[in-house]
Amino acid sequence: QSALTQPPSVSGSPGQSVTISCTGTSSDVGSYNRVSWYQQPPGTAPKLMIYEVTNRPSGVPDRFSGSKSGNTASLTISGLQAEDEAVYYCSSYRSRSTYVFGTGTMVTVL
Amino acid sequence: ELQLVESGGGLVQPGGSLRLSCAASGFTFSTSWMTWVRQAPGKGLEWVANIKGDGSEKNYLDSVEGRFTISRDNAENSLYLQMNSLRADDTAVYYCAKEGPYSAAHWGQGTLVTVSS
Repeated sequence: QSALTQPPSVSGSPGQSVTISCTGTSSDVGSYNRVSWYQQPPGTAPKLMIYEVTNRPSGVPDRFSGSKSGNTASLTISGLQAEDEAVYYCSSYRSRSTYVFGTGTMVTVL
Repeated sequence: ELQLVESGGGLVQPGGSLRLSCAASGFTFSTSWMTWVRQAPGKGLEWVANIKGDGSEKNYLDSVEGRFTISRDNAENSLYLQMNSLRADDTAVYYCAKEGPYSAAHWGQGTLVTVSS
C-alpha cells in the first residue's frame, strides 16, 4: 500500500498561485474520481479542503481548486495568503473502501 | 455542532494492547462510515481502518490487519480501535474521522499512542 507521491515543498509569494501534484497509479488516482485534499497547519488536525477531485466543502475559499489528469491529481491555491502556510496531503480511494494518502507537501508563503 | 473526541492513548510496551475510543456527537452516527487515520511523529498521514455505519463492513491497512480491530457502538455513538501486538512503528497520533463523499470530512483532535519499552 504505497503512498501517493507529492513534492516535499512548494513556495510562493502572497498573491501568487501554487500547484501541488499528487501522483498515484491506475489502481487509485487513475481509476476513480475520488481524490481529496487536506490542509494541516502545525500542531493541528487535518482539515478537508477538496473532495471528489474538484468539490469544496462549505467554508473553504474558492481560492482552492482541484483537478485530475490520468494518474495525477493537482491542488491549486490561487491568491496565496499567509494563512495558507501548512502541509497539504492528497488522498485517493483504492478499491474495497480502502484509501491511501500522499506523502505531504509543505506550502511556504514567502 | 459535529464533534469527535478521541481518548485511550498512552504509553504501552511492545507486544502490548491498547483500546482507543472516539465519542461522536452532532450528527447521525449510526448511518456514517467512520475511519481511523494515524500520523507518526514528524511523518505523514496513514489510513488505518474504516467501518460502515451498521458495522457490517470493515477494512484495514495491510500492516495492521490481524492485530487491530475496528468496532462501534451505535447506541453509545462511539467508535473503537482495539490494538494488539503493538510495535514501535505503531507509535503515532491516532485520529478518528467521519467520512464524507470518499473523504475524511471531519476529524477529531487525535490521541497519542507511544509504543516503547
